[in-house]
Amino acid sequence: RKEVEQDPGPFNVPEGATVAFNCTYSNSASQSFFWYRQDCRKEPKLLMSVYSSGNEDGRFTAQLNRASQYISLLIRDSKLSDSATYLCVVKNNAGNMLTFGGGTRLMVKP
Amino acid sequence: DGGITQSPKYLFRKEGQNVTLSCEQNLNHDAMYWYRQDPGQGLRLIYYSQIVNDFQKGDIAEGYSVSREKKESFPLTVTSAQKNPTAFYLCASSGLRATYNSPLHFGNGTRLTVT
Repeated sequence: RKEVEQDPGPFNVPEGATVAFNCTYSNSASQSFFWYRQDCRKEPKLLMSVYSSGNEDGRFTAQLNRASQYISLLIRDSKLSDSATYLCVVKNNAGNMLTFGGGTRLMVKP
Repeated sequence: DGGITQSPKYLFRKEGQNVTLSCEQNLNHDAMYWYRQDPGQGLRLIYYSQIVNDFQKGDIAEGYSVSREKKESFPLTVTSAQKNPTAFYLCASSGLRATYNSPLHFGNGTRLTVT
């Protein structure tokens, strides 16, 4: 089993739709979690950290479920510009190692 | 503005040649990382360093070497022993001690093509 797993997609959704991605992790001692966005042939950029109580940033909501060892990202009112690959990142409990999921590709269509 | 600079953006080499990719950061970050990304794949860790003059192998260190002589700099050498060197190479840094929840900050990447 991979340490961090994501459905590669692609998720094809119409503009304005709500879409959610999950990411599962295997190390129950993992402490920090992040969602990154990567556009084609570019570097990943931090979208948001994921806090234990869940957090929201505009149209984006991140949740953490420690019991089931997954994090989720919800995007409301999808825009064409949301089309990208979304990477789940898990930091170990020592704080020095980050493991990336393979990414989930999102395509928002007009 | 603080950030991470990778150079060059594109690099072409002949098989059998060593090549060094540059990574410099002025974020005063302790930790620096090198990742490799192949088309349609996720990021895989090559090497990382948490402090000057110290570094550890990641998941795919074979055929690569690094140095960390200065806090700001973490160059990666792709040696002729690396069997499939053509890839997108990403350097990143993060705060470590004071900011446990610190995310990674990435450079723009170097796209290496070996023929």
